[in-house]
Amino acid sequence: LAKTTQPISMDSYEGQEVNITCSHNNIATNDYITWYQQFPSQGPRFIIQGYKTKVTNEVASLFIPADRKSSTLSLPRVSLSDTAVYYCLSNKESPGGSYIPTFGRGTSLIVHP
Amino acid sequence: DAGVTQSPTHLIKTRGQQVTLRCSPKSGHDTVSWYQQALGQGPQFIFQYYEEEERQRGNFPDRFSGHQFPNYSSELNVNALLLGDSALYLCASSLEVGLNTEAFFGQGTRLTVV
Repeated sequence: LAKTTQPISMDSYEGQEVNITCSHNNIATNDYITWYQQFPSQGPRFIIQGYKTKVTNEVASLFIPADRKSSTLSLPRVSLSDTAVYYCLSNKESPGGSYIPTFGRGTSLIVHP
Repeated sequence: DAGVTQSPTHLIKTRGQQVTLRCSPKSGHDTVSWYQQALGQGPQFIFQYYEEEERQRGNFPDRFSGHQFPNYSSELNVNALLLGDSALYLCASSLEVGLNTEAFFGQGTRLTVV
């Protein structure tokens, strides 16, 4: 089965840029890559989505290389409030043959003062 | 504009019992998906409902079933509860069916099976 892997944890300091990479082998040709942020006791919140190259919005950038086997979420100038778990999401083939949304195990980002 | 709302927020059940969780989607959304999130894990897709029908299903046993109502709200039912069913159950709504649409999540229902 295809897997989505990302680092378990990362540490950073306020004002730094943080890059979190997710590997998603066997991603479907027409599949997008989506990143979510989750705080304790809350549901995940959409951050950014992309298909290839680079996508930027008001909170983050997403870099996807040509082979699309990985993606990197970039958070510019993080603050303490960016401490959260970050998940990449893509659609993976299930044992039954259909494609289903599949979250990675998440990267716990801790931002220090 | 209310976001996705789920009820109840917390629930304790005994092994073998049945449970029903409820979800109201974000206003204007017609598609509802359910996820199970065990402690320290990412959410796992259970199924997705659109037009009152199950459209996609993850790798969950038939003990997990659902329903979508004409007003787009949804229920998740779990029968014959096991200790391993203890988790945060998340509901997500989106504007259209499909796998690449932006999903809005509720705060979840914390289910504890004892």
